[in-house]
Amino acid sequence: GAVVSQHPSRVICKSGTSVKIECRSLDFQATTMFWYRQFPKQSLMLMATSNEGSKATYEQGVEKDKFLINHASLTLSTLTVTSAHPEDSSFYICSARGIPKQRMNTEAFFGQGTRLTVV
Amino acid sequence: TQLLEQSPQFLSIQEGENLTVYCNSSSVFSSLQWYRQEPGEGPVLLVTVVTGGEVKKLKRLTFQFGDARKDSSLHITAAQPGDTGLYLCAGAEAGNMLTFGGGTRLMVKP
Repeated sequence: GAVVSQHPSRVICKSGTSVKIECRSLDFQATTMFWYRQFPKQSLMLMATSNEGSKATYEQGVEKDKFLINHASLTLSTLTVTSAHPEDSSFYICSARGIPKQRMNTEAFFGQGTRLTVV
Repeated sequence: TQLLEQSPQFLSIQEGENLTVYCNSSSVFSSLQWYRQEPGEGPVLLVTVVTGGEVKKLKRLTFQFGDARKDSSLHITAAQPGDTGLYLCAGAEAGNMLTFGGGTRLMVKP
């Protein structure tokens, strides 16, 4: 199946610093990318949706100045957690949505996730 | 945002037993996807159902999309310890948005 690569898989940072997470679709063009946050033993919570070349659309309650999203190309989106604090510690997952080769329908594929720990 | 209710939230069974996970909504989805997620990893797509009444089989897993495209079920036959994980249903709506159910955490004991 289609591959979405998310990097890094784990990151530990000091409180007050910024962390950038990359999400790449490796074998298809992602018309839309989504960023999710997942708390332990819970489902995925959508943070924001981004289309290539456009500003991201944030879900209610998500601070756009804190979680900066850049979707510069059809294969790359980045999420930057600015001035991170311990409460930002979580599992962040990206999803790329497009039509993979030899497929008929638009499908979403997920990255491996990034475990962020802010100390 | 459309809501998807997934049940049960947690299921612990013995190897060899059968189980069914349900995903229900009052709204219609253009398609519905099922994912399986293991700890520390991203969800992996199992199947996409598009047509009302559609049934898809993936080895011991059977997926069904309701006639009205508002609900779906996942049935696992003769569960194995390797089936342990978090199962997520997600409905696709306008604008390519995916709405996730709350997830079903399955544990299969040997």
